[in-house]
Amino acid sequence: GDSVTQMEGPVTLSEEAFLTINCTYTATGYPSLFWYVQYPGEGLQLLLKATKADDKGSNKGFEATYRKETTSFHLEKGSVQVSDSAVYFCALSDRTGGFKTIFGAGTRLFVKA
Amino acid sequence: DADVTQTPRNRITKTGKRIMLECSQTKGHDRMYWYRQDPGLGLRLIYYSFDVKDINKGEISDGYSVSRQAQAKFSLSLESAIPNQTALYFCATQETSGTEAFFGQGTRLTVV
Repeated sequence: GDSVTQMEGPVTLSEEAFLTINCTYTATGYPSLFWYVQYPGEGLQLLLKATKADDKGSNKGFEATYRKETTSFHLEKGSVQVSDSAVYFCALSDRTGGFKTIFGAGTRLFVKA
Repeated sequence: DADVTQTPRNRITKTGKRIMLECSQTKGHDRMYWYRQDPGLGLRLIYYSFDVKDINKGEISDGYSVSRQAQAKFSLSLESAIPNQTALYFCATQETSGTEAFFGQGTRLTVV
């Protein structure tokens, strides 16, 4: 079945550091890919998405590119802020899975001032 | 007001008790989901519904049941709660396939 694997956390960075959170997926079809963010005490909210190969999703300085050849959708940000501290989830939604959204385990990010 | 509302936000219950978690939405979406979040395990799908007459089991449905009372309402029940059902539960909605999911703020359930 479909699955999402993302790097384990926690990831601890200093403010203004470069962020990469790796995400790879397994799907039999051509899924849409998502990054969701969960701030403390809140539900998940969409950060960015990409619906086809080579698409780049971007929002709030975060970017991720849909790489079909490597089945990856890594999240990057050039300069993180303390306010970016949160849990980040990679997810996919695929026709083969009935378009259910499947989530990775989440990666907790701590940014120090 | 939130588009996806979960009640209660926090609940402590005893082993063996029946408990219902409720979810209502104002997004007008047909698709609704219940997920469970545990540390290190991410979100795991319990049940989902693609319309009022449709109920489907997710990957961890044992010990849970659901009811889709209306397009806007989707309830999750634990018939006889056990301690390993202690977790954070999220309801989510989705408009159509491949689109973004909208989440409630979660219900923290503790079974003692």
